[in-house]
Amino acid sequence: AQRVTQPEKLLSVFKGAPVELKCNYSYSGSPELFWYVQYSRQRLQLLLRHISRESIKGFTADLNKGETSFHLKKPFAQEEDSAMYYCALSTGTYKYIFGTGTRLKVLA
Amino acid sequence: EAQVTQNPRYLITVTGKKLTVTCSQNMNHEYMSWYRQDPGLGLRQIYYSMNVEVTDKGDVPEGYKVSRKEKRNFPLILESPSPNQTSLYFCASRPQGEYGYTFGSGTRLTVV
Repeated sequence: AQRVTQPEKLLSVFKGAPVELKCNYSYSGSPELFWYVQYSRQRLQLLLRHISRESIKGFTADLNKGETSFHLKKPFAQEEDSAMYYCALSTGTYKYIFGTGTRLKVLA
Repeated sequence: EAQVTQNPRYLITVTGKKLTVTCSQNMNHEYMSWYRQDPGLGLRQIYYSMNVEVTDKGDVPEGYKVSRKEKRNFPLILESPSPNQTSLYFCASRPQGEYGYTFGSGTRLTVV
C-alpha cells in the first residue's frame, strides 16, 4: 500500500541548531516526493520537490530510495521556520498522499 | 496573481442542509483536488479531477460530491452534511507533470 510516514508529531530545536524532519514512504514504483510548509493560519505552500534538487529557505531534501526516505534538513534553524511541515508522495496515478505532518518549533 | 480561490472561508451549518464550497483557479491547471485536514490525521484526499468531466474518488469520498464542468472550477458539494464532516477543507490545483500543488486558503466548516 502507498503510504507516507512522518514519525514525529512535534520537533523542538533551538535557534541555530540543525533540523531534520523525517519522512519515509512506501511505494513500489518510482516516487515523486514533495515537502510542503504551513505557517500559522496560512495555506500550505510547496517547499521542495525531489526532482528539482533545489534548496529553498536553506532547506534541502534528498531522496534515498534504498531507505525509502526523503528527510528534510536545514543546518541552522531560524525562529521563522516554526511551522507545520508535510511530506507528500505522488504515485503517478493521480493519487497524492500526504503524511500526518510534523510541527517544528524553533526556540529562541 | 496566480491563485486558487475558495469560498467561503468560514461556514457554520446544520445537519442535513445541503451546501457547496466553491473552488476556482486561474492557472489553467489540469489537476484539481479536494482535501480535508483534521488534527493528527494530516490531509486526506476527498476527490480529484484530471481534467474537465474527469473525476475520481480519493481516500475519504463518502458524503461528498464534486463536478468539473469547466477547467477552472471544482466545487465540493455536501448533499446532507453531518457533524463528522466538521473540518478544514483545502482545494488545490497543479499542472500535468511532476509539479506540486497550489493550495487555496481553506474553508473551515462546522456542522452542528
